[in-house]
Amino acid sequence: AQSVTQLGSHVSVSEGALVLLRCNYSSSVPPYLFWYVQYPNQGLQLLLKYTTGATLVKGINGFEAEFKKSETSFHLTKPSAHMSDAAEYFCAVSDRGNTGGFKTIFGAGTRLFVKA
Amino acid sequence: DGGITQSPKYLFRKEGQNVTLSCEQNLNHDAMYWYRQDPGQGLRLIYYSQIVNDFQKGDIAEGYSVSREKKESFPLTVTSAQKNPTAFYLCASGLLWTGGYQPQHFGDGTRLSIL
Repeated sequence: AQSVTQLGSHVSVSEGALVLLRCNYSSSVPPYLFWYVQYPNQGLQLLLKYTTGATLVKGINGFEAEFKKSETSFHLTKPSAHMSDAAEYFCAVSDRGNTGGFKTIFGAGTRLFVKA
Repeated sequence: DGGITQSPKYLFRKEGQNVTLSCEQNLNHDAMYWYRQDPGQGLRLIYYSQIVNDFQKGDIAEGYSVSREKKESFPLTVTSAQKNPTAFYLCASGLLWTGGYQPQHFGDGTRLSIL
């Protein structure tokens, strides 16, 4: 069965510092992996997704994530944090379940705080 | 601009009352989804639909009902059987792609509270 674990419910960084949000998944078949961002009282916005091919995926707003099969990880990074990056971030995994249909599972989320 | 519109933004429910949350999309997406979001728990799937007049239960469907009479609309009814309805409800839509159907666009949510 699929599962997603986001390490750290809260992460705090200084403006200009590296952002690293951790995500580990479990899946019995090759997964599709996603990162979403949610600003207060809004819906989720897709940041980036991994399907096949290149394991380093670039997304919007300067974020990128690397799929590491050996570590079952899909960590999200950004070289330099900006105040506008403060939000909640969700990692998600999608694979073809036992019924043959795709199912998307979301992690519990990591809230990113950016200090001036 | 294309997108998903959820209404109302805030909703209050009295004991024993059914309430309906609206979700409309103009993206021409086949699939639509309803998620419930509680603090620290991420998103949990309530119902989803991949085609008009057909829908499937998600992980927490008890106490909820949906309909899909039009491609653009996927309303969610929170019934009196749902004993803990206070949450943030998100509607999403998606197109069929390599990874099957997957939520690609989200509305801005409806926050439901008990009076």
